[in-house]
Amino acid sequence: DADVTQTPRNRITKTGKRIMLECSQTKGHDRMYWYRQDPGLGLRLIYYSFDVKDINKGEISDGYSVSRQAQAKFSLSLESAIPNQTALYFCATRDGGVETQYFGPGTRLLVL
Amino acid sequence: EDQVTQSPEALRLQEGESSSLNCSYTVSGLRGLFWYRQDPGKGPEFLFTLYSAGEEKEKERLKATLTKKESFLHITAPKPEDSATYLCAVRTNRDDKIIFGKGTRLHILP
Repeated sequence: DADVTQTPRNRITKTGKRIMLECSQTKGHDRMYWYRQDPGLGLRLIYYSFDVKDINKGEISDGYSVSRQAQAKFSLSLESAIPNQTALYFCATRDGGVETQYFGPGTRLLVL
Repeated sequence: EDQVTQSPEALRLQEGESSSLNCSYTVSGLRGLFWYRQDPGKGPEFLFTLYSAGEEKEKERLKATLTKKESFLHITAPKPEDSATYLCAVRTNRDDKIIFGKGTRLHILP
């Protein structure tokens, strides 16, 4: 079984709809991250969390919100989706005592 | 401003033709430099973490090296299955964020 899972893997939605992307991990890591990836722009950080009570904005948090429901679960919400939020979204985790991040398989989101 | 630049953007090699990918960085203080492999539509797969200048790590046909200004990912006698995008990233002393380069798309021709 994968250590970091993301659901759904693919999603098509319409402008103005609210959607939620979910991430779960079995690695026991305390830190979790949400990134988006766009062609030519690389990976950009949306939000990150050190633990269930500590949520921080990344470089492109506008239009997004997150919820850390438990140490193992970190959800990303788009309150009112817009077409330029079409991208590949990745969740990542890290053990606070180690430098390396580990990524999930990604969610491909298309906003029409 | 902290920055990571990868070159070349794309590289095509014949099977067995060794080469190197470059990652140049300018950061206020380096805590770690990371190499990832990413296949199309998939999540980045961790390869190496390097912490200090002079450090080297190897895995199969890949070897990563680090200096005070750049890192190289050397690929020896590559095979078609090594075709992927290779991402470089750094973590600085400033905060918990990782800064990613835009990647090098590597294509190995059989």
